[in-house]
Amino acid sequence: GAGVSQSPSNKVTEKGKDVELRCDPISGHTALYWYRQSLGQGLEFLIYFQGNSAPDKSGLPSDRFSAERTGGSVSTLTIQRTQQEDSAVYLCASSLDRGVNTEAFFGQGTRLTVV
Amino acid sequence: RKEVEQDPGPFNVPEGATVAFNCTYSNSASQSFFWYRQDCRKEPKLLMSVYSSGNEDGRFTAQLNRASQYISLLIRDSKLSDSATYLCVVNIYYGGSQGNLIFGKGTKLSVKP
Repeated sequence: GAGVSQSPSNKVTEKGKDVELRCDPISGHTALYWYRQSLGQGLEFLIYFQGNSAPDKSGLPSDRFSAERTGGSVSTLTIQRTQQEDSAVYLCASSLDRGVNTEAFFGQGTRLTVV
Repeated sequence: RKEVEQDPGPFNVPEGATVAFNCTYSNSASQSFFWYRQDCRKEPKLLMSVYSSGNEDGRFTAQLNRASQYISLLIRDSKLSDSATYLCVVNIYYGGSQGNLIFGKGTKLSVKP
């Protein structure tokens, strides 16, 4: 597709369950970011992938959160044993990373609700 | 000190007004800068990049002051449709092809008739 695609668009899960969120970046974009945004709050950085380099995981809030990026394209964010405070919109962005002047394009997000 | 700081607002202005937002950043390795716009319950979208010499796009003007480490966004002749949250974004460049995008918390603008 032409843009960043995320699925599902909405996810309701029970506390304690695991969830997987998917991001399909723009073709050819080497950089991929995950952010989350709670209602009325700013974007919180989670993780960043750049090509084949080791990802920057410094934003992951706990070891219940993990992410992988297969073949330098699609990424999956996994949240294990979900908690109510995990409820947020999870946004993925990609950019054609040339180091400077990198403009990131966002998907529409996955709205996660933990009940 | 936060890496990217913005006044959260809200800025409530009448149609036709001129409004300016500032953003400060703390990391001197910051190499490139952007303003994004986010509408309620939507994803952020790029409004404009900010270049060293400053740049203008219609009613929008962005300026960069590297010495003082701040960027600004000026909106002239505000429209109702400009109501949104404006996010300041800084690219921290580590070298090679490594970088990271740091977002400010955003400044909320509300344009009233």
